[in-house]
Parts: sequence; C-alpha cells; structure tokens
Amino acid sequence: DGGITQSPKYLFRKEGQNVTLSCEQNLNHDAMYWYRQDPGQGLRLIYYSQIVNDFQKGDIAEGYSVSREKKESFPLTVTSAQKNPTAFYLCASSREQGSYGNTIYFGEGSWLTVV
Amino acid sequence: KQEVTQIPAALSVPEGENLVLNCSFTDSAIYNLQWFRQDPGKGLTSLLLIQSSQREQTSGRLNASLDKSSGRSTLYIAASQPGDSATYLCAALLIIQGAQKLVFGQGTRLTINP
Repeated sequence: DGGITQSPKYLFRKEGQNVTLSCEQNLNHDAMYWYRQDPGQGLRLIYYSQIVNDFQKGDIAEGYSVSREKKESFPLTVTSAQKNPTAFYLCASSREQGSYGNTIYFGEGSWLTVV
Repeated sequence: KQEVTQIPAALSVPEGENLVLNCSFTDSAIYNLQWFRQDPGKGLTSLLLIQSSQREQTSGRLNASLDKSSGRSTLYIAASQPGDSATYLCAALLIIQGAQKLVFGQGTRLTINP
C-alpha cells in the first residue's frame, strides 16, 4: 500500500545526543515536510523539501537538520543544539509543495523524549 | 501575523447529534483549506480539501464550507457516532510574503458520548 512510514515510533534521547528520525514515502511525491506538534498545539513546520538535494527552513529549524538525497527519503536529525526536543514529530508529503489543490499526507508520527 | 484559530478547543456531544466545528483565518489570500482528523498518538488523516474557488465539499456525513470574505470555514458532521471522537484540525494554505505557507489551527478535541 502507498503511504508514509516513520520510524522509530518512540525514541529516547540523552542530553547532548543527536538522534535521527526516519521518513520514507512510496507515493512518488516531490514535496516532503517535517512538523513538530506539542501537546494541545497545532503543527509547526521545521523543514521542507520540494525536490531532491534541496530543502528549506521552516518556522522552527534551529537545532534540526535534514537531508534529501533520494526522492523517497527525508530524514530529520534532532541535534544537541535543540534545547527542548521532547515532542511528537510528523512527516508529510504532497505531490508539489503548496500547490493548488494538492492534498498533504501524513505519517503516523514519532514520539521523542529527552531522558 | 497569519493565524488560524479553532474554537472551541474541546467539544462533547451525545451520539446522534449534528455538530459544527469552526475554523477562522486572518487572511483572505487563501489558496485552499484542508480539514484533518487526528486520533490520539497518531498522524493526521485528510478529510476534505476545499479550493479557494469552491464554497463547500462533501464526503459521506461530512460537509466542509469555506467563506473567504469572512475568513471562516466550518466542518459539519451529521448523525455523530462514537467513532467520530478525535481531534479535528484545519489548515489554510496562505500566501505570506510572496510564498505559500500551510498554517494549522490548534484543533478541536471532539468526544461523542454513547
């Protein structure tokens, strides 16, 4: 079945440690996104990518990094510079970034907790 | 600041009732508006997408409307069922400083009581 796969579902990070969240899609979508969701709040955009080997910062990119070496994959690294990383992370994709009429599809999310 | 607001934050109704969820946005330069459902600890599932040129979209018991002039969208759920219990989020695709940006509301947590 076509869709977006995020892994791991749950991840624990120690202070000062970098961790990477995986996002893979088999929808043949050009655009991919990473969002952060805190309890009781809406989604905030971290990074997005419109095509392979290109990505742009979103509203809260500090402390995060991404890569887009393949169309299907858009991993997110939460670095030690991110001071409050505990949150629910959602990966999404669409046929084209922000294009008129394009539905955006989401993965099941990854929970990151700092211990 | 471009904002999308959903009121109320939480809503509880008896099974079988018809209900309306509200979404307000501050800018009429909107490309489209999308409604999502989110179950606890899960990702978002797209329910309906309304283009800026449309006034409403329907899918089964769901009907979403869009009024650009007043900056409002509503999601109407007919004959509610316990399985409809979830958080509903709206997201507006806006033009901000010449770039397209998808802005999410904070969601309405809906509980349908049997």
